[in-house]
Amino acid sequence: GIQVEQSPPDLILQEGANSTLRCNFSDSVNNLQWFHQNPWGQLINLFYIPSGTKQNGRLSATTVATERYSLLYISSSQTTDPGVYFCAVELNTNAGKSTFGDGTTLTVKP
Amino acid sequence: ETGVTQTPRHLVMGMTNKKSLKCEQHLGHNAMYWYKQSAKKPLELMFVYNFKEQTENNSVPSRFSPECPNSSHLFLHLHTLQPEDSALYLCASSQDPGGGNTEAFFGQGTRLTVV
Repeated sequence: GIQVEQSPPDLILQEGANSTLRCNFSDSVNNLQWFHQNPWGQLINLFYIPSGTKQNGRLSATTVATERYSLLYISSSQTTDPGVYFCAVELNTNAGKSTFGDGTTLTVKP
Repeated sequence: ETGVTQTPRHLVMGMTNKKSLKCEQHLGHNAMYWYKQSAKKPLELMFVYNFKEQTENNSVPSRFSPECPNSSHLFLHLHTLQPEDSALYLCASSQDPGGGNTEAFFGQGTRLTVV
C-alpha cells in the first residue's frame, strides 16, 4: 500500500517561532488533508489540499502532487498550537479511503 | 452542535461485556467511517460505509460489528473484546467518497479501555 512519511516526528518550538512540517507519499494521490489532533484527541481539519497552496491565518500549506509531497507552515507559533499534526492521503485508485502518516508532535515553549 | 458527534466519550468495559459506540453526523454527508487509533500508532481505517452500504472492511476482527441504519448514523457494536483493543475510536464522514469531495470531518472520539 501507499507509504506516508511525516517529518520531523517531534518538534519543539519557542513561542513565536516559525516551522515547516513535511509529508512525503509514495504514490499518486487524489486528495490530501492536514489535521491537528489536540491533546483531547479531537482531529481538527486544517487544510484539504490535493494540490496548490492555501493559507488560513498563521497556517499555510502547499502540495506538489507531481513530486509527492506536502508542506505545512506554522508561523508565530502559540501555546494553543501543541498537539499532533497529521497528513492523510487518498489514492487515486482508492477513493474515500485515507492513509494517515505517523504525525508530527509539536510542543511550544513559552 | 458539532458536525460529527460521538458517544460515549469514554468507555470502560470488561472482556465479556457487550457495548456500542454511536456516531451521528449533521453535515448531510453520504459516507461514514470508523478509525482506530492505538497509542503510538497512526490512525487505522476499520470500516467504510457509502450510502449506508459497507464498502470496506479492513480485516477487522468479528468482535467489532458495524451498523449503518442511514447516512447520518453509524454504530460500532463491541463484544468479547481484548485488552489490546483499548484505543481511541474515531468516526468520520465525507460528502462524496466516489472521487469527488472526500474531505473528511471527525468526531471527538470514544476512548475505550478494555479491562
